[in-house]
Amino acid sequence: GDSVTQMEGPVTLSEEAFLTINCTYTATGYPSLFWYVQYPGEGLQLLLKATKADDKGSNKGFEATYRKETTSFHLEKGSVQVSDSAVYFCALSQGAQKLVFGQGTRLTINP
Amino acid sequence: DAGVIQSPRHEVTEMGQEVTLRCKPISGHNSLFWYRQTMMRGLELLIYFNNNVPIDDSGMPEDRFSAKMPNASFSTLKIQPSEPRDSAVYFCASSSRTETKNIQYFGAGTRLSVL
Repeated sequence: GDSVTQMEGPVTLSEEAFLTINCTYTATGYPSLFWYVQYPGEGLQLLLKATKADDKGSNKGFEATYRKETTSFHLEKGSVQVSDSAVYFCALSQGAQKLVFGQGTRLTINP
Repeated sequence: DAGVIQSPRHEVTEMGQEVTLRCKPISGHNSLFWYRQTMMRGLELLIYFNNNVPIDDSGMPEDRFSAKMPNASFSTLKIQPSEPRDSAVYFCASSSRTETKNIQYFGAGTRLSVL
C-alpha cells in the first residue's frame, strides 16, 4: 500500500539556521503531496502542497518540490525562527480524499 | 467560518465508562475524518465519511468504537466501554473535494484520558 517515510526526529536548530526535513513516499500512481504543521496544543494545518511532478509548493518561507524520479518531497526553509517550532507531517493523497501521513518530525528552534 | 469545532477539548473518565466525542465540520464540506494521535503510533485514521456515509472504517480499533454522522453538520465518535489504552488525542477533520481540492482542515482535538 501507499506509505510515507519522514526523517527521524527530533530536530533541534538555532535560529536563522537552514532547515531540511526529508520525506519520501511509496505510491502506485501519481499522488498529491502535502506538508502539514502541528503547533503545540493545536490540530494540524496545511503548510504547502504540490499536485504533480516538479511542482513547488511554498508558504511562510517553506518550500518543497515534488520529485517523481526520487519519490521525494523534502521540506526546506532558508532561515528558521523560534516560532517555527512544531511537529511537521508529510502526507500523500491518491485521488480519494484519504490522506496517508508520515510519522511526523518534531522541530525545536533555539534562540 | 469558525473552522472544525470539536468538543469537549479535554475528557477525563474512568475505565468502563462511555465516552462521546463530537465534531462539527466546516459548512459545505462533504467529507469528514476521525483520527487518533498517540506517541507510540503517531496519527492514525480511524474512519471517514463522504456525504454522511461511512466509506472506510478499517482503522477503527475494535467494536468498542463506533462513529456516526446523522447529518452534514455533526458527527460523533463513541467509545463504549473505554479502556486506559484509548487515552489519546482524537482529531476530526473535514474537506471538500470541489472547493479546496481535498485539503483537510483539522479541529483542535479532544484529549482523552481514561483512568
